[in-house]
Amino acid sequence: DGGITQSPKYLFRKEGQNVTLSCEQNLNHDAMYWYRQDPGQGLRLIYYSQIVNDFQKGDIAEGYSVSREKKESFPLTVTSAQKNPTAFYLCASSPSWNEQFFGPGTRLTVL
Amino acid sequence: AQSVAQPEDQVNVAEGNPLTVKCTYSVSGNPYLFWYVQYPNRGLQFLLKYITGDNLVKGSYGFEAEFNKSQTSFHLKKPSALVSDSALYFCAVRDSRNAGNMLTFGGGTRLMVKP
Repeated sequence: DGGITQSPKYLFRKEGQNVTLSCEQNLNHDAMYWYRQDPGQGLRLIYYSQIVNDFQKGDIAEGYSVSREKKESFPLTVTSAQKNPTAFYLCASSPSWNEQFFGPGTRLTVL
Repeated sequence: AQSVAQPEDQVNVAEGNPLTVKCTYSVSGNPYLFWYVQYPNRGLQFLLKYITGDNLVKGSYGFEAEFNKSQTSFHLKKPSALVSDSALYFCAVRDSRNAGNMLTFGGGTRLMVKP
């Protein structure tokens, strides 16, 4: 987990609310990623960013938005359009072509 | 396109016995292969990778993996399992022909090591 922080660790959201998950890295990595993990399942890519001020949709981008204004930060907003947002969210970063390094995750629960 | 499969949802092994967690992949170019481990409510921890070179790759915590091109496999192994190895293991692949560093992850295999 070292070098990548995610906050908060646990987050509760009421239906209809937007919430923003924080991801910060001090590894000087160019690329950053957001994944969603559901119980008993693998990771699915939500958004990724290869460079500052640029990002691309992953496999399940609907209902989510991101920004990449700084190299070290890649926040994820879960909007009210996301129908089933309860999940474990993982942020990762990587050098240009090497393995990805993961943060500790944020568990989002919709009340 | 790139894909990876972990055919076993769960692997059970007794402490002290050897363990194998299976992974097969599909890519159009050359594969870059990775193994990660996840403990409950934690992020993924990198174990080892194969990019090029020796087919047997050694990683963290005594784990190793063997790249087999003809069988398109990259099975994770450890000679003697520990109870503390019990966790969720993910295999991931990247196709060398992909310009970005997008990894595709398998569905995960839960390893249970019993005393």
